[in-house]
Amino acid sequence: QVQLVESGGGVVQPGRSLRVSCAVSGFTFSSYGLHWVRQAPDKGLEWVAFIWFDGSHTYYADSVKGRFTISRDNSKNTLYLQMNSLRVEDTALYYCARVVVTTTEPYFDYWGQGTLVTVSS
Amino acid sequence: QSVLTQPPSASGTPGQRVTISCSGSSSNIGSNYVYWYQQLPGTAPKLLIYRNNQRPSGVPDRFSGSKSGTSASLAISGLRSEDEADYYCTAWDDSLSGVVFGGGTRLTVL
Repeated sequence: QVQLVESGGGVVQPGRSLRVSCAVSGFTFSSYGLHWVRQAPDKGLEWVAFIWFDGSHTYYADSVKGRFTISRDNSKNTLYLQMNSLRVEDTALYYCARVVVTTTEPYFDYWGQGTLVTVSS
Repeated sequence: QSVLTQPPSASGTPGQRVTISCSGSSSNIGSNYVYWYQQLPGTAPKLLIYRNNQRPSGVPDRFSGSKSGTSASLAISGLRSEDEADYYCTAWDDSLSGVVFGGGTRLTVL
């Protein structure tokens, strides 16, 4: 069955870097676009970034543009989010989500369980 | 401040019909499909409505979506206790070149 499993979260100091991963199984990874969506504690959902199925296009929320990089390794069935210059306000549960169609629509049919990133001194 | 505007809370009694609104602009709802997600406590969001008014298989027909101009709404009829959750609307925004979410609406079943 389709599975998305995030990892790599933890506690990091402001200004430092962290990379979180999303390992997928149960479907042809290279055929689907993938997003990162985050949720701060007791807050709503916030979209972070999107990568096309073949990695040819990437999109970012203004709040992370220039600091975060989304990438994928289709040979390892893994999605990444490299987070640099982390801020306290980046503290959140980070979800990866698969999109059903090859468009920019937020048509997420599968989500991971999330990995918690805490930015604190 | 979210780009899409939802009421922070809604409530109803079992069996009632409730609606949750989602207001946007011409660059998001006005020109793109609207999606709705349900998030139960402690779980990942679940797709509830896609492309304005379509239900994925497995979602009860008590849930329905609609869109008019730059606004959308989610209606839940025959309210049940298990509907108590947070509900989010979302769409692609052409001006921002990104996905935008509403702030979420917490539904309480009294």
